[in-house]
Amino acid sequence: DAGITQSPRYKITETGRQVTLMCHQTWSHSYMFWYRQDLGHGLRLIYYSAAADITDKGEVPDGYVVSRSKTENFPLTLESATRSQTSVYFCASSDTGGDSQPQHFGDGTRLSIL
Amino acid sequence: AQKVTQAQTEISVVEKEDVTLDCVYETRDTTYYLFWYKQPPSGELVFLIRRNSFDEQNEISGRYSWNFQKSTSSFNFTITASQVVDSAVYFCALRVSYNTDKLIFGTGTRLQVFP
Repeated sequence: DAGITQSPRYKITETGRQVTLMCHQTWSHSYMFWYRQDLGHGLRLIYYSAAADITDKGEVPDGYVVSRSKTENFPLTLESATRSQTSVYFCASSDTGGDSQPQHFGDGTRLSIL
Repeated sequence: AQKVTQAQTEISVVEKEDVTLDCVYETRDTTYYLFWYKQPPSGELVFLIRRNSFDEQNEISGRYSWNFQKSTSSFNFTITASQVVDSAVYFCALRVSYNTDKLIFGTGTRLQVFP
């Protein structure tokens, strides 16, 4: 029972580089989400996806790109990393089923941009 | 606008004390869901409870209890007889739209329980 896994757990990169954070879930949940966690802001939604090939912006989408070609994967790409994108990134999934099931989170990716 | 406010940034207590974490929310939706998550020092987010807007019954789970009051738009979380293992950041969250399942989080309350 792997659940939801994120990789890498830690990443250091330089300003201007492209970096992709991976998220994989084994539950076949329809919804997937990317959040970033910053001190004083809690968790803020970057992008979400209601199903394969359906994605939409959240609260802080600028500088990020997502795709969802398969239900189980939801990669997040920083096309040209900036220092302001240094953060902890969490992926989550849920299967609403009409009863608002809770979102289940991965363990997070700590990303540092130098 | 939808918003979740956790006014307590940090709380420190001594073991065995009771502690209440406050959560105040704003929404115009009549159907909504409230959640609490725990983030221990190891960093993962652990789901604790979900409550829908039509169910104002308080809930108790062991040492944890939740008080949902629509009249004051609050969903407070109480830990009875706190333990060191309760030390964590606790987040309250609001789900505002049935179709998109998006969560809006508060900024979190860091609870430190000292032995």
